[in-house]
Amino acid sequence: QLQLQESGPGLVKPSETLSLTCTVSGGSISSSSYSWGWFRQPPGRGLEWVGNINPHTATTYYNPSLKSRVSISVDTSENHFSLRLSSVTATDTAVYYCARGSFNSGWWIWGPGTLVTVSS
Amino acid sequence: SYVLTQPPSVSVAPGQTGRFTCEGNKIGSKSVHWYQQKAGQAPVLVVFDDRDRPTGIPERFSGSNSGNTATLTINRVEAGDEADYYCQVWDITSDQWVFGGGTKLTVL
Repeated sequence: QLQLQESGPGLVKPSETLSLTCTVSGGSISSSSYSWGWFRQPPGRGLEWVGNINPHTATTYYNPSLKSRVSISVDTSENHFSLRLSSVTATDTAVYYCARGSFNSGWWIWGPGTLVTVSS
Repeated sequence: SYVLTQPPSVSVAPGQTGRFTCEGNKIGSKSVHWYQQKAGQAPVLVVFDDRDRPTGIPERFSGSNSGNTATLTINRVEAGDEADYYCQVWDITSDQWVFGGGTKLTVL
């Protein structure tokens, strides 16, 4: 059974870069044509898409409001994918989720989420 | 950019039917997905591609989509259904995933 797990620092200083990794277990990240994505949810607020990547098509999509600061990459040898968000501010404080999905089937499998706080 | 509008809250008595709307311009031409998120937990996909249910989701959950409104319906609502419900689409015009603001279900 495929499982996802987010990992990374829980506290990041303003102006620094937030880096998270989503480790995939129970299956290979490169064995299917699914997309792998990042989402976030500020405390008490709704869900927001950050971006996603499809290793088979080598395509990445980013939220336009974050596009200048965000980067998503895949490491098939380590079976994980990563998020980098630069120049963070307090508004980037959120629970970050990774997930697997597709355009017509939505996002079926989610990690449990990890809280990242931006504070000095 | 594409906007999805959901009412902030819905209240339903146990055993009754709950309906959650998601409004967007010509949303009937898009594939709509619905998520359930209970407090402190990750979202769970309950309906995909307008009306299909993932494995393990009860038949009480159903979806429809036409014109400018998509609807998630929960029949025979239970206390355990209390959660936030979000609709989502892929907007091919702007190449981005869009969520509605979410609807909080309160079971009376």
